[in-house]
Amino acid sequence: EPEVTQTPSHQVTQMGQEVILRCVPISNHLYFYWYRQILGQKVEFLVSFYNNEISEKSEIFDDQFSVERPDGSNFTLKIRSTKLEDSAMYFCASRDGLAGEVGELFFGEGSRLTVL
Amino acid sequence: AQSVTQLDSHVSVSEGTPVLLRCNYSSSYSPSLFWYVQHPNKGLQLLLKYTSAATLVKGINGFEAEFKKSETSFHLTKPSAHMSDAAEYFCVVSPIAGKSTFGDGTTLTVKP
Repeated sequence: EPEVTQTPSHQVTQMGQEVILRCVPISNHLYFYWYRQILGQKVEFLVSFYNNEISEKSEIFDDQFSVERPDGSNFTLKIRSTKLEDSAMYFCASRDGLAGEVGELFFGEGSRLTVL
Repeated sequence: AQSVTQLDSHVSVSEGTPVLLRCNYSSSYSPSLFWYVQHPNKGLQLLLKYTSAATLVKGINGFEAEFKKSETSFHLTKPSAHMSDAAEYFCVVSPIAGKSTFGDGTTLTVKP
């Protein structure tokens, strides 16, 4: 069964360092997302990506964040200068683009980011 | 605009008794609704989805949900809880395109 894969599963970094979280969405999907979940809190939308550009972003997704689909396969989330409050589980998700239908989101297992 | 309210942050049931996790939604269009489950230290797994077909939706592991437009609800049920059902459950509303919105989650505890 096709799945979304994320790497790394866990990353520990120092405050101020750059972090790149990687995702390989399901191959025929057209919509890509990043969500995050701070420990014990709700799942929060960060950004959606379609047709090689950001389609929507939340107020959390400030200038420190960027996304890229560099090679038609990977979908990356970059945090330029990490802050303590960026510590969270980051989930990548993708879904297909069947016309007139809302497909389910397929989530990866998540990348846990710990900022010290 | 869209929003989701999960009415209970914690639900505790005994093994073998029914489960009811409540979800109300608000949407300016006909929504698609989903329930996801998250076991400890795991990702998010789809339980079931409603996408304007049958209003009673059956999912995995014996879970069901009924879409009630008049009540703007999409409550999740299971006739008999199992210990392995203990997890966090999220109700999600999605438009045709754009972001999906998660409820705050309900923690289900199953007592032996």
